[in-house]
Amino acid sequence: EVQLVESGGGLVQPGRSLRLSCAASGFPFDDYAMHWVRQVPGKGLEWVSGINLKSGAVAYADSVKGRFTISRDNAMNSLYLQMNSLRVEDTALYYCVRRSGSFCFDYWGQGSLVTVSS
Amino acid sequence: EIVLTQSPGTLSLSPGERATLSCRASQSVSGTYLAWYQHKPGQAPRLLIYGASSRATGIPDRFSGSGSGTDFTLTISRLEPEDFAVYYCQQYAGSPPYTFGQGTKLEIK
Repeated sequence: EVQLVESGGGLVQPGRSLRLSCAASGFPFDDYAMHWVRQVPGKGLEWVSGINLKSGAVAYADSVKGRFTISRDNAMNSLYLQMNSLRVEDTALYYCVRRSGSFCFDYWGQGSLVTVSS
Repeated sequence: EIVLTQSPGTLSLSPGERATLSCRASQSVSGTYLAWYQHKPGQAPRLLIYGASSRATGIPDRFSGSGSGTDFTLTISRLEPEDFAVYYCQQYAGSPPYTFGQGTKLEIK
């Protein structure tokens, strides 16, 4: 069974940093590209960042470019999102997502809540 | 960046009725790389349809997708109580960003 479990969320002050982790199991992690998608409370889904199989290619939404860094450790079956210079508008539920062989997002974690507030 | 516009914003229907949800793209979505997701409160989003018309594993056949280019439709033929949720379309063609529509809330009438 495919499982994606996020951790690392919490309450943080504006300007500070936070690192999200996603533990993957139930599939060959290094065979899949992985992404982060977020949902601001009461709003829709927003793609945040993605990384390919071997960490050779990464991409970011304009809203987080230069502040967030995605990475993966295939030996640990883990995905990460380092979030620096956090803003109030980064407050959201962050989902770890697997990109399927058909390129859509086929499995999602339950999410990790990040709250940026003073 | 491709902008996806979903309509209606809210759809009020009764169980047993047919639901038709629309997703319009600001430019052609190449390769019909268009997906639909169902999202219920407190749960992870669930993939329903990919490639505009292919049902994901385990999705009941009352869910169907159609369309190409800039106009796409999700149809639920006979609503079940568990189908009331928010539905999002997403384009995942080529390079990021892989944008989502703003969502359609399907509520019980």
